[in-house]
Amino acid sequence: DVKVTQSSRYLVKRTGEKVFLECVQDMDHENMFWYRQDPGLGLRLIYFSYDVKMKEKGDIPEGYSVSREKKERFSLILESASTNQTSMYLCASRAAREQFFGPGTRLTVL
Amino acid sequence: QKEVEQDPGPLSVPEGAIVSLNCTYSNSAFQYFMWYRQYSRKGPELLMYTYSSGNKEDGRFTAQVDKSSKYISLFIRDSQPSDSATYLCAIRRNAGNMLTFGGGTRLMVKP
Repeated sequence: DVKVTQSSRYLVKRTGEKVFLECVQDMDHENMFWYRQDPGLGLRLIYFSYDVKMKEKGDIPEGYSVSREKKERFSLILESASTNQTSMYLCASRAAREQFFGPGTRLTVL
Repeated sequence: QKEVEQDPGPLSVPEGAIVSLNCTYSNSAFQYFMWYRQYSRKGPELLMYTYSSGNKEDGRFTAQVDKSSKYISLFIRDSQPSDSATYLCAIRRNAGNMLTFGGGTRLMVKP
């Protein structure tokens, strides 16, 4: 079974803090993704990576950065968290046609 | 206009009902169509995948694509309380491109 794990299920941070969200997949997938999910807006792509040290901006990259130093790990970084970044963050990795999602991290920025 | 539109619901039906979930999309270049199911506090999981117009069946689930109308549907027969979840349509231009998701429809099947 493909497994995508995320470091935290719930996270509470303060405005201005630097936040790291970690994602690990165990299926040797090259492609990995970070989305945020907000009510009524569905999943919106923040960044994706198609190989180690490679990254591409998605639809809403502003305020975020990413790091992929190892194939199995893809990190999302909020350099200075803001209240409008309160959301559910989902990581995914992709095989040929299917994206496999982690359980999500619900981040609250106070 | 969003590229993919989906009624957010919630949709509440009695157990055993036939459920119809729908999405419309605006870009005729989209070729691959998926339905994901997301249970509460879980990540989405792929339910159905199709790349052509017409119907595709998998057990109680049928995915339907009408490219001429830019309309996709998911039908659930004999709905069960365990089908209660949010259903997200997802569409892609070609094999290498990213997915564009609808907003999701929350379905509640009452015993």
